[in-house]
Amino acid sequence: ENVLTQSPGTLSLFPGERATLSCRASRTVYNNYLAWYQQKPGQAPRFLMYAASSRATGIPDRFSGSGSGTDFTLTISRLEPEDFAVYYCQHYGHSLGTFGQGTKVEIK
Amino acid sequence: EVQMLESGGDFVQPGGSLRLSCAASGFTFSVYPMSWVRQAPGKGLEWVSAISSGSGESTYYADSLEGRFTISRDNSKNTLYLQMNSLRAEDTAVYYCARHRDHDLYDYWGQGTLVSVSS
Repeated sequence: ENVLTQSPGTLSLFPGERATLSCRASRTVYNNYLAWYQQKPGQAPRFLMYAASSRATGIPDRFSGSGSGTDFTLTISRLEPEDFAVYYCQHYGHSLGTFGQGTKVEIK
Repeated sequence: EVQMLESGGDFVQPGGSLRLSCAASGFTFSVYPMSWVRQAPGKGLEWVSAISSGSGESTYYADSLEGRFTISRDNSKNTLYLQMNSLRAEDTAVYYCARHRDHDLYDYWGQGTLVSVSS
């Protein structure tokens, strides 16, 4: 099992600031099979990124992903009010169900 | 437009049973593997179970379930099911159905249905 550790647990930022979220895996994520999801309170998760750096359909380009191996990053270049949410990373194509514990991005 | 609508969540006593449904529309349901993912109150996402496309011949379960849940699908009704038996307090969660884009990469999610297990 690949354990994903996200940091920080909570990120407090102002709208317009840059957000940098980390996802570290205990084992190598081959093929960069790393995804990100966004979840707002009371809503289902929303598919954001796959293959570490590819945006899902309809995701604005202020969202970007990077990384390889065991260290991955989701960056939101300029936070919009609708971006304040919890973000989860996921290692897919390995063993079913490997999610990180989430990073909450909150308004400062 | 892809839509998935879960139903069947309820309040139930420990040891009870429930069957969740996920009605899909806007896509060819039969060609996609599907999963159930749950989220306990205030907690993160936990994968529960998955089923292969087509006849659903292959099914997969989280070890923590200890054989209490059964996933199935009815392609004629475009519906995914989760039969949950011997429910425990720790099964309390919002249950989401999710479509597999490929592998276990989930591109669409339902809105969720709440299962609450308490005496």
